[in-house]
Amino acid sequence: QLVLTQSPSASASLGASVKFTCTLSSGHNTYAIAWHQQQPEKGPRYLMKLNSDGSHSKGDGIPDRFSGSSSGAERYLTISSLQSEDEADYYCQTWGTGIAVFGGGTKLTVL
Amino acid sequence: EVQLLESGGGLVQPGGSLRLSCAASGFTFSSRAMSWVRQAPGKGLEWVSAITSGGGSTYYADSVQGRFTISRDNSKNTLYLQMNSLRAEDTAVYYCAKDTDTVTDAFDVWGQGTLVTVSS
Repeated sequence: QLVLTQSPSASASLGASVKFTCTLSSGHNTYAIAWHQQQPEKGPRYLMKLNSDGSHSKGDGIPDRFSGSSSGAERYLTISSLQSEDEADYYCQTWGTGIAVFGGGTKLTVL
Repeated sequence: EVQLLESGGGLVQPGGSLRLSCAASGFTFSSRAMSWVRQAPGKGLEWVSAITSGGGSTYYADSVQGRFTISRDNSKNTLYLQMNSLRAEDTAVYYCAKDTDTVTDAFDVWGQGTLVTVSS
């Protein structure tokens, strides 16, 4: 079964960096994922598509502060030089034939 | 500019029906798969349904299988979700999302969402 696992919460200070982890279920470690950001009271926004080899393609207008990487079944999103507007929920998403799956999301608090 | 604009949400009684629409612009609608994703109050994102670019294949989450029907009109650049036998647990903001391929893939554009409330 295709499942994505994310930690429920994270926190980091203004100007610091934070790294989110999204873990693919057993047998699915070659799958690509996408990262999405959802700021409070807003709809989701696509950040990037991240492949198993760590290559990624970002959405239009996504700053260089956002980057992705991969290791085995884990997919990472790193945000550097944190800004107040980065406080949001971050979701990973993957897909198979006729199905899409989201992780539970990680809520980022910027201190 | 690529845009998705949902409409059709509202308040409906349990057991009732509603049809959502998603008007697309700024890209070749007929060359991309599309999906509906929902978010219940205070909860995470849940994929609901997908349709391939030509409309020949449709897919549903188990939670809506047999009650919801996804369709598209490529001549009108519009995606639809017909929702029947609605339940309280279907209450959510419904988003349409554009895939990056002709079949289900990463969602690279989202609409602003439309709220569906199922309550008596």
